[in-house]
Amino acid sequence: AIWMTQSPSLLSASTGDRVTISCRMSQGISSYLAWYQQKPGKAPELLIYAASTLQSGVPSRFSGSGSGTDFTLTISCLQSEDFATYYCQQYYSFPWTFGQGTKVEIK
Amino acid sequence: QVQLQESGPGLVKPSQTLSLTCTVSGGSISSGSYYWSWIRQPAGKGLEWIGRIYTSGSTNYNPSLKSRVTISVDTSKNQFSLKLSSVTAADTAVYYCAREDSYSSGWYYYWGQGTLVTVSS
Repeated sequence: AIWMTQSPSLLSASTGDRVTISCRMSQGISSYLAWYQQKPGKAPELLIYAASTLQSGVPSRFSGSGSGTDFTLTISCLQSEDFATYYCQQYYSFPWTFGQGTKVEIK
Repeated sequence: QVQLQESGPGLVKPSQTLSLTCTVSGGSISSGSYYWSWIRQPAGKGLEWIGRIYTSGSTNYNPSLKSRVTISVDTSKNQFSLKLSSVTAADTAVYYCAREDSYSSGWYYYWGQGTLVTVSS
């Protein structure tokens, strides 16, 4: 299985901040990576797929970059509705795996 | 708009088999070329991919669970199901059904709301 290291696990930030979340793979996965946002009691919501393609309807303040083993999710200007937990997911090889999650909390 | 809804017992005894069903609405489960999946999340923890099934019946399972998991599809009922045998407390989690966005895309746009299954005597 491909192991994923997502960091940080907790990120304290203020509205308006630019935040970045990292996801590192144990082996190269080309661009087979997705990012999700999850709020308490809800299912994850797809933000980005193919490492950098923004899902339709997702605000443009979200962006993804990277390929191979190192990936980044950036929120350019944090809004109140962005306080949530974020997960990366690789779909390069079975089993699909998810990062441990990054909780973005209000500073 | 495709919608998914999980259903099944919320409490399962240790050593028994967990059985969940995902009902698909807003479209036929056999139309298009999609994989249908199960993903779980223990309380306060991350997501674990359990496995997926194509409408032809072809499956992929997580090796960590493969010996205990069966995913099946019933196109006549527009449902797919999960069976997990010999459960322990470690199988307590919210279970989600989900659909990959397009044929074997790997990423998930459509999710059910999730159903909590507790393993306890």
